[in-house]
Amino acid sequence: GAGVSQSPSNKVTEKGKDVELRCDPISGHTALYWYRQSLGQGLEFLIYFQGNSAPDKSGLPSDRFSAERTGGSVSTLTIQRTQQEDSAVYLCASSFLDRGDIQYFGAGTRLSVL
Amino acid sequence: QKEVEQDPGPLSVPEGAIVSLNCTYSNSAFQYFMWYRQYSRKGPELLMYTYSSGNKEDGRFTAQVDKSSKYISLFIRDSQPSDSATYLCAMSAGDDKIIFGKGTRLHILP
Repeated sequence: GAGVSQSPSNKVTEKGKDVELRCDPISGHTALYWYRQSLGQGLEFLIYFQGNSAPDKSGLPSDRFSAERTGGSVSTLTIQRTQQEDSAVYLCASSFLDRGDIQYFGAGTRLSVL
Repeated sequence: QKEVEQDPGPLSVPEGAIVSLNCTYSNSAFQYFMWYRQYSRKGPELLMYTYSSGNKEDGRFTAQVDKSSKYISLFIRDSQPSDSATYLCAMSAGDDKIIFGKGTRLHILP
């Protein structure tokens, strides 16, 4: 596709359920990033992929959060046993490997945990 | 002290005015400075990109970087209602990790 695609665009779930968020990066972009944006907050870095490996997982807030990337393309962010404080917009971005300073973002998944 | 500080606003200015948006930072290793624009319910989009100190102009937008003061600015000339958005400053030391400011909400009043 022409840009970064994220699905679903909106997700409402009940506390304690697991959710999966999907990101399709721009074709040819080997680097992929996940961020979280809460109301009134900036972008909080979660995890970064180079190809299929994640050299930097430092931003994952707890062990309930995990992410994987397959085929150097699609990535899935999984949140287990969701809590109300997980409610936020989850943004995915991609870039060329050596140009991580220029990232292209998807529209995000708006997660609401009831 | 946070790595990047940005006034969240909101900032309301009349159409046609010059807008000034600013960020300060503490990490002297930052070399790449960006401004992203984010419309409501959209992802951020790269607006301006500057390496090291100096000015960069693109149409109605000018980005300034003063590394000695650890201060960056974005100026918008002849502001339009379509410029109403949240503007996020962002910085990188070249290690593929970008640190974002919290964003300033800007409203251009017709």
